[in-house]
Order: sequence, then structure tokens, then C-alpha cells
Amino acid sequence: EPEVTQTPSHQVTQMGQEVILRCVPISNHLYFYWYRQILGQKVEFLVSFYNNEISEKSEIFDDQFSVERPDGSNFTLKIRSTKLEDSAMYFCASSGTGENQPQHFGDGTRLSIL
Amino acid sequence: QKEVEQNSGPLSVPEGAIASLNCTYSDRGSQSFFWYRQYSGKSPELIMSIYSNGDKEDGRFTAQLNKASQYVSLLIRDSQPSDSATYLCAVIILTGGGNKLTFGTGTQLKVEL
Repeated sequence: EPEVTQTPSHQVTQMGQEVILRCVPISNHLYFYWYRQILGQKVEFLVSFYNNEISEKSEIFDDQFSVERPDGSNFTLKIRSTKLEDSAMYFCASSGTGENQPQHFGDGTRLSIL
Repeated sequence: QKEVEQNSGPLSVPEGAIASLNCTYSDRGSQSFFWYRQYSGKSPELIMSIYSNGDKEDGRFTAQLNKASQYVSLLIRDSQPSDSATYLCAVIILTGGGNKLTFGTGTQLKVEL
């Protein structure tokens, strides 16, 4: 069964550094998303991406964050100048054609900022 | 104002029993509803989706939606120890077409032998 893949599974970074989290969405999906989950808290929406542009973003997704689809398969989340509070699980998700389709999540990247 | 509310639990049920998980949402613009299962340290796994009032069954799982009461539930029949996990209710609210999922905090389910 097709799945969303994320790399790396765990990223440890010094505060102030930049990180890039990578995702390969399900191949025929057109909508891509990033969510994060701070330990012990709920899953929070960061951004959605469709037709090579951001379709919606949350207040969390400020200038520190950016997304890109550099080629036909990858979808990346870049976090600049990381802060301690950026430590969380970051999940990539994708969904098929049409609005309101179920979103399928990758296994996540655990980001630890030291 | 919380957009999606769930009882955090834990909800404990004996093996073989029916587990009933509940969720309420505040925005009447909510149009799509999902249940995800999340094991500790893992990612959310889609269990059910429901879009219209009534019941939807898939194997041991039944989702129920009542838009008038702004209420969605998940029933798990013949509960198994492997069903022990946190169940997340999530909704899509009609906004700018971004398909943003808004999650509840989740209900922890424990199925006891």
C-alpha cells in the first residue's frame, strides 16, 4: 500500500541552526501538509500546499518556516534559526484529488533542538 | 474556545467489550470528520472518515455523526488489547480551501485482558 515517507526519522540540531525535513508524499496525491506535535500535546496544523503554492498556513508558520517542492516527488519543510521550542515531532501528510479527502501521515521526524 | 473537544481518558474497557469514543466540535462550518489512531511515539493512522449524518461501518469500527448536535463518535466492537492507543478526532472546517485538519487532544483507550 502506498505510504508517505519522511527522512530523517530523528534530527538533532543546535539552537540557531537551520534544518530541512524531507517528505515523499503518496505518488498520485496533490495536496501536501506539515503538522507538528509537541510532546504530550495535540497535533497542530502548520501548512498546506497545493498546485505548487501554499494554500493555507497557521499562525505558527511564520517567517522562520518555509516549504518547497523541489522536484516531482519531494516536499520539504525548512526551519531557519531553530529555537528550543521547535523541538517536536513533525509529520508530513498528503491527500488525493478533491477537497476534504482523508490525509495520510508519514512516520514523522523527531526534531530535537539543543 | 476549543474547536474540537475530546475526553482525554483513559477509557478502560475489558477485552471483547464495545469502546465508545466521543468528540464535539464548535464550528458549524465543519464538513469532514476523521478518526485517527495514534500509538505512543508513532504517527496518526487513519481509521475512519465520515461526511454526512448517520452511521458508517467498517469492520469492527462504526463512526457516527450528528451535525445538529455537533457530535461525532467512534464505536469499536470486540475490543482487543491491540486497540489500546490514543484516538484522535479531527475535522476540516470550510475555510480557504486549505483542507486544514483540526485535531482534538485525543482519548486514550486501554483494553484490558
